Amino acid sequence: AQKITQTQPGMFVQEKEAVTLDCTYDTSDPSYGLFWYKQPSSGEMIFLIYQGSYDQQNATEGRYSLNFQKARKSANLVISASQLGDSAMYFCAMREYNTGTASKLTFGTGTRLQVTL
Amino acid sequence: DADVTQTPRNRITKTGKRIMLECSQTKGHDRMYWYRQDPGLGLRLIYYSFDVKDINKGEISDGYSVSRQAQAKFSLSLESAIPNQTALYFCATSDFSASNTGELFFGEGSRLTVL
Repeated sequence: AQKITQTQPGMFVQEKEAVTLDCTYDTSDPSYGLFWYKQPSSGEMIFLIYQGSYDQQNATEGRYSLNFQKARKSANLVISASQLGDSAMYFCAMREYNTGTASKLTFGTGTRLQVTL
Repeated sequence: DADVTQTPRNRITKTGKRIMLECSQTKGHDRMYWYRQDPGLGLRLIYYSFDVKDINKGEISDGYSVSRQAQAKFSLSLESAIPNQTALYFCATSDFSASNTGELFFGEGSRLTVL
């Protein structure tokens, strides 16, 4: 079974609008972390935001927020006030802290976001 | 200068050739990783290392080998390259402890094409 599922291969959003990128995960470990990375066309991987499984509040970093719904095992990224520079591939990833895989991040397949005028 | 440096950034080679991708880091992290990115498949882990004496296979290690020459250096080798190893390769580091999340810090990627 996929540990991280991103069901939207591509998304479009108009500049200045908000957009939600979906991510669902699968784990039996009660202690885990969820990460979002951005990959612009230049190829580098940029860390955006982190949510721990025990965090009571949804994580926020500037225009990025993480809509964490633990019971649904979802960790959607919300980008507010989209900008042209937000056009990129976005990856959701998970680290499980109590299992033998604690050292690894498992990635989803990504969502390509295109911001239009 | 980048904290995690990969060389070469781009390489075109032929089937059967031996290729080495090198990674060095100045972050002082103990953990290093090699990931491979293919369109539609996301990033998949090839090998990872906790320190110079600890090397672990990831989910797609067949056809690859690694060497951790020092805490700061982690190399990925393709002994006999084949076309389906054409991909974007990332080296990454992390400093996993109770005080942090274990976020990965990535190099800029090495684009490998095998003809």
